[in-house]
Amino acid sequence: AAGVIQSPRHLIKEKRETATLKCYPIPRHDTVYWYQQGPGQDPQFLISFYEKMQSDKGSIPDRFSAQQFSDYHSELNMSSLELGDSALYFCASKDRNEQFFGPGTRLTVL
Amino acid sequence: AQSVTQPDIHITVSEGASLELRCNYSYGATPYLFWYVQSPGQGLQLLLKYFSGDTLVQGIKGFEAEFKRSQSSFNLRKPSVHWSDAAEYFCALKAAGNKLTFGGGTRVLVKP
Repeated sequence: AAGVIQSPRHLIKEKRETATLKCYPIPRHDTVYWYQQGPGQDPQFLISFYEKMQSDKGSIPDRFSAQQFSDYHSELNMSSLELGDSALYFCASKDRNEQFFGPGTRLTVL
Repeated sequence: AQSVTQPDIHITVSEGASLELRCNYSYGATPYLFWYVQSPGQGLQLLLKYFSGDTLVQGIKGFEAEFKRSQSSFNLRKPSVHWSDAAEYFCALKAAGNKLTFGGGTRVLVKP
């Protein structure tokens, strides 16, 4: 069965650079969630989209933005990267009441 | 506001022994509850979920969980642990807006 796809799987950036993370939900899933998991931490909700509109917002820094496109894929754009942004970023897509997680993108900021 | 608490940060168990991971939640309505497992550097895999109905829920890999409303708990159990069960386990609650709120996680170590 198709799963959530995230790209890239690993990303290394320097401080103050920008990064774009991509998420491709399971076909016919119209809702996407982004979570950030810092080292040794639990995942924290960042933002979600339903039918290309932002549906909820969590602890997402102002330096980050995201959108969902007409094909339902989503991109998380991160600017002015800081060391503290190093984390595993998960995308999930929703079917009814269950979220299916992608493998994550590991971002390392040097 | 909703919250999820996993009181045990680490648990060490011998292979073949039973395992119980605790999860307590705080939420003003009927919760939707989940247990996820995460191997090092990997994504989150759903073990089981509770929405309504039977309070004893069966999941994958031989895991089960029991929802107890009176105790605001959703503890995860496995009768006999295998070395491959060593991982981090997260309890999560789906709140309004559908976002998940996670507990802090419990890291399970399995001794041979």
